[in-house]
Amino acid sequence: AQSVTQLGSHVSVSEGALVLLRCNYSSSVPPYLFWYVQYPNQGLQLLLKYTTGATLVKGINGFEAEFKKSETSFHLTKPSAHMSDAAEYFCAVSSSGGYQKVTFGTGTKLQVIP
Amino acid sequence: SQTIHQWPATLVQPVGSPLSLECTVEGTSNPNLYWYRQAAGRGLQLLFYSVGIGQISSEVPQNLSASRPQDRQFILSSKKLLLSDSGFYLCAWSQGRDTDTQYFGPGTRLTVL
Repeated sequence: AQSVTQLGSHVSVSEGALVLLRCNYSSSVPPYLFWYVQYPNQGLQLLLKYTTGATLVKGINGFEAEFKKSETSFHLTKPSAHMSDAAEYFCAVSSSGGYQKVTFGTGTKLQVIP
Repeated sequence: SQTIHQWPATLVQPVGSPLSLECTVEGTSNPNLYWYRQAAGRGLQLLFYSVGIGQISSEVPQNLSASRPQDRQFILSSKKLLLSDSGFYLCAWSQGRDTDTQYFGPGTRLTVL
């Protein structure tokens, strides 16, 4: 079985401040990990993904995430928040390379305060 | 490049009416296709997935059904809508060795009154 926990359904940061969105996963086998972003009334867009290799993954829009096996975490960060980063972010895990086994977290809404 | 389309974008239907939502993918062949529902304040719930024409797997038993009449077409249907069917419906596709990376359509907002 696999699962994803996103800590904090709502996160607020000031424009220019560090963005940190937390994701912890549970998986019985080496996981594939993903972050998606969703703007209001739109579909999900892939931000970045980890499969194997380098544990620090860089994505679009200046976001990056680090896979920490010992902590079973895959937190999303961005050094400086921009107003356009306001959206909902979803962490997801896949444990076996199977097309039907992607599990999504419940999402974190990011608010950026000017 | 690949693109995925969903229509309609929004839909308001009375309880008990039928439903048909359509999803098509361009620029690829033999994709895996998925239907998700996103209810307010909740995550994504996988409803159906398909690995080929006529091959549908259901994740959650309910009054919805899915069909895949063509390689790149995926349809979500209902004979009689319930209030609880309201939500944001997302279609997604994946393919090849990178089968875990799913790419999402723009979604359909369904309101059942």
